[in-house]
Amino acid sequence: EAGVAQSPRYKIIEKRQSVAFWCNPISGHATLYWYQQILGQGPKLLIQFQNNGVVDDSQLPKDRFSAERLKGVDSTLKIQPAKLEDSAVYLCASSLGRGTGEQYFGPGTRLTVT
Amino acid sequence: KNQVEQSPQSLIILEGKNCTLQCNYTVSPFSNLRWYKQDTGRGPVSLTIMTFSENTKSNGRYTATLDADTKQSSLHITASQLSDSASYICVVALPRLTFGEGTQLTVNP
Repeated sequence: EAGVAQSPRYKIIEKRQSVAFWCNPISGHATLYWYQQILGQGPKLLIQFQNNGVVDDSQLPKDRFSAERLKGVDSTLKIQPAKLEDSAVYLCASSLGRGTGEQYFGPGTRLTVT
Repeated sequence: KNQVEQSPQSLIILEGKNCTLQCNYTVSPFSNLRWYKQDTGRGPVSLTIMTFSENTKSNGRYTATLDADTKQSSLHITASQLSDSASYICVVALPRLTFGEGTQLTVNP
């Protein structure tokens, strides 16, 4: 079974530029999550989708971050404009259902903002 | 103050030795408590998931315990291997996952 795919794996941009990350969840998984993991910290949930609807985006900085999952499969996370403090690893995860079942994580995208 | 706190922050042990990682949490009740292993440059991988009513769960050389009275969990690693070098993260599912900051374990030959 293929795992959660993410691209790119690494990205370096200057502050105030825009960046987008892509995630393809495990086939059949209805729920998709985006997490931000700052170096030395645990992941923090940014947004949770159930199919193509948003379940939880309470910790998403909506002035600069946006995410979509138009067809209920793959998803993109965008930052516009980026700030220095956005430097982190952005992890995508998926799960079968919406509840507290197993989440499977992708390898992450490491973003460096200079 | 973090809702999930882990100790120690880092740990170095010799290959073949056992070790125990600690997790204290303040959130209650919760759906389940998980331990994840995160290798450098990789996403977290689940080791164990325990419900509120369980007090122990094993996965090979990994054994997690849960004491709901003291709000503590531990992860015991037996006969450590070089491949155990990673960050170990304690996670409480509320249902939203609340992550600790992890314990960085280094296993030296």
